[in-house]
Amino acid sequence: DVKVTQSSRYLVKRTGEKVFLECVQDMDHENMFWYRQDPGLGLRLIYFSYDVKMKEKGDIPEGYSVSREKKERFSLILESASTNQTSMYLCASTPAGGPKVETQYFGPGTRLLVL
Amino acid sequence: GNSVTQMEGPVTLSEEAFLTINCTYTATGYPSLFWYVQYPGEGLQLLLKATKADDKGSNKGFEATYRKETTSFHLEKGSVQVSDSAVYFCALNSGGSNYKLTFGKGTLLTVNP
Repeated sequence: DVKVTQSSRYLVKRTGEKVFLECVQDMDHENMFWYRQDPGLGLRLIYFSYDVKMKEKGDIPEGYSVSREKKERFSLILESASTNQTSMYLCASTPAGGPKVETQYFGPGTRLLVL
Repeated sequence: GNSVTQMEGPVTLSEEAFLTINCTYTATGYPSLFWYVQYPGEGLQLLLKATKADDKGSNKGFEATYRKETTSFHLEKGSVQVSDSAVYFCALNSGGSNYKLTFGKGTLLTVNP
């Protein structure tokens, strides 16, 4: 079974702090994604990566950056956390080919509270 | 651009009731369509999918049929259980090499015993 893990389930940070959210997948998937989930808004794509060191902006990249130095790890960085970044953050991965290519595998999520 | 519109919740049903959650989409080309489910405290997991018109996806008693003529992918289950209580997301992938998904806003389902 594919396993996608996220470094924290719950996180509390202060405004202005630099925040790192880590995601690791164990199935050698090429594509990895970061979403945020907010009530009434569903899931919105922040960034995705289709290979090591490659990244593309999603629909709401402002205030975020990402890093993918190794294939299995995709990090989301909040350079200076703000209260409007309080949200649930979900990481997902998918292979580049094969029968499972369109199925995204999600981690359990990190609920971030910025005070 | 692509978009997914799904029935607003919350939906509350009694056990063994019939469930329908409506989903319609706007997309260019021939998208693949998905239903994902999020149980309390967990991430999303794929429930079912359909990759072309008239395909029916099914899993765990849930079904959805890809209707190109009505651009719809409604989720149905004949008899819901308390364990089906979750948030359900309709999504589409319009193709290309990056496999990005466009999600609906989600529908919260609560099933009471």
